[in-house]
Amino acid sequence: GQQLNQSPQSMFIQEGEDVSMNCTSSSIFNTWLWYKQEPGEGPVLLIALYKAGELTSNGRLTAQFGITRKDSFLNISASIPSDVGIYFCAGQLLSSNTGKLIFGQGTTLQVKP
Amino acid sequence: GAVVSQHPSRVICKSGTSVKIECRSLDFQATTMFWYRQFPKKSLMLMATSNEGSKATYEQGVEKDKFLINHASLTLSTLTVTSAHPEDSSFYICSANRQLEQFFGPGTRLTVL
Repeated sequence: GQQLNQSPQSMFIQEGEDVSMNCTSSSIFNTWLWYKQEPGEGPVLLIALYKAGELTSNGRLTAQFGITRKDSFLNISASIPSDVGIYFCAGQLLSSNTGKLIFGQGTTLQVKP
Repeated sequence: GAVVSQHPSRVICKSGTSVKIECRSLDFQATTMFWYRQFPKKSLMLMATSNEGSKATYEQGVEKDKFLINHASLTLSTLTVTSAHPEDSSFYICSANRQLEQFFGPGTRLTVL
């Protein structure tokens, strides 16, 4: 089936550092979404991207929809302990009309105070 | 943001019993909802697409007779795990589309003894 390759798989960083993670695919997407999930909870939408090349910020988070429509990245600046969690990218295929999302494998972020 | 609720948040049942999980969109109508299953430290696996007023669409490998889905109204979808067994123990999460964004419920932790 379709896959999104998300990297890195995990990160352990010092508080205050910047973080970058990305997702790539061989397929073309018309929507990219970034979610954060904390233990025992459902994913929470962080940023939604709809146009190739789009760059969107949400506080300390910045995400971009790759110009080829096959990739996206998420940056977190000046990390803080509450940024800890699992971050997922998700995309809706250009060929899809069902609203189904394809998820990356997740990036586990740990922040050392 | 949009709110999606799930009930119950956790359930423990005996092997062989059936368990119903409810998913509600609280402040919007959703013609389409999705049911996911998530194993520890893994990504979300789509089980089925729930369509209001029609049959659900199941992903390959998901038994439709075991995981019964009903989407009787624009704000409610239910997932019933029939004749549950220990291997069905997992975190079940629903989501609903509002326009181009997909919002997730808080999840239901099912433990089958």
